[in-house]
Amino acid sequence: NAGVTQTPKFRILKIGQSMTLQCAQDMNHNYMYWYRQDPGMGLKLIYYSVGAGITDKGEVPNGYNVSRSTTEDFPLRLELAAPSQTSVYFCASSPLGVRGLNSPLHFGNGTRLTVT
Amino acid sequence: AQSVSQHNHHVILSEAASLELGCNYSYGGTVNLFWYVQYPGQHLQLLLKYFSGDPLVKGIKGFEAEFIKSKFSFNLRKPSVQWSDTAEYFCAVGLMDTGRRALTFGSGTRLQVQP
Repeated sequence: NAGVTQTPKFRILKIGQSMTLQCAQDMNHNYMYWYRQDPGMGLKLIYYSVGAGITDKGEVPNGYNVSRSTTEDFPLRLELAAPSQTSVYFCASSPLGVRGLNSPLHFGNGTRLTVT
Repeated sequence: AQSVSQHNHHVILSEAASLELGCNYSYGGTVNLFWYVQYPGQHLQLLLKYFSGDPLVKGIKGFEAEFIKSKFSFNLRKPSVQWSDTAEYFCAVGLMDTGRRALTFGSGTRLQVQP
């Protein structure tokens, strides 16, 4: 039982480069989320999805895009990397609850991204 | 705007000391409350949760938290900490009936337990 799997674990990008952070879950969870974690700032929600084909913006969506073509996968795309996107990115999932707010989150191990 | 506050950013304790980490939220409606823990180099894991009922909830590893509705608080406690409790602790709140679809996290408290 893998849970939530994120790849890669680490990545260094140059300013202006693009990349996709992969996230997959094998628990058949409907809700999936992307958070970024910055020191002293906690977790900020980037994007979330309530099911295949449905995505919506979180608190800090600028500079990112997502897609949800299947229940299992929820990739996060950075089109033009900027130093402000240096962070640790966590993908999470939860089963269908009352608008996803009463189900504990299952987190992946994170992707540490540095943009220089 | 609704928010979640953790006022203790960094706490240093000796082993066997008692722990209390504060969590306050600014929302007058129904909430679901969580505490997550992140051990060094690992992902976040659920410590405990509160949805309804007894406001004193017990979680894993001897942690407990008390929901005080009148104070908009959900403080985390442990009577006697161990070195292995060194980690970052996050309070998270599900703000019901706001249209939000995801938890709102506090900024975290880094706990350092000295042997």
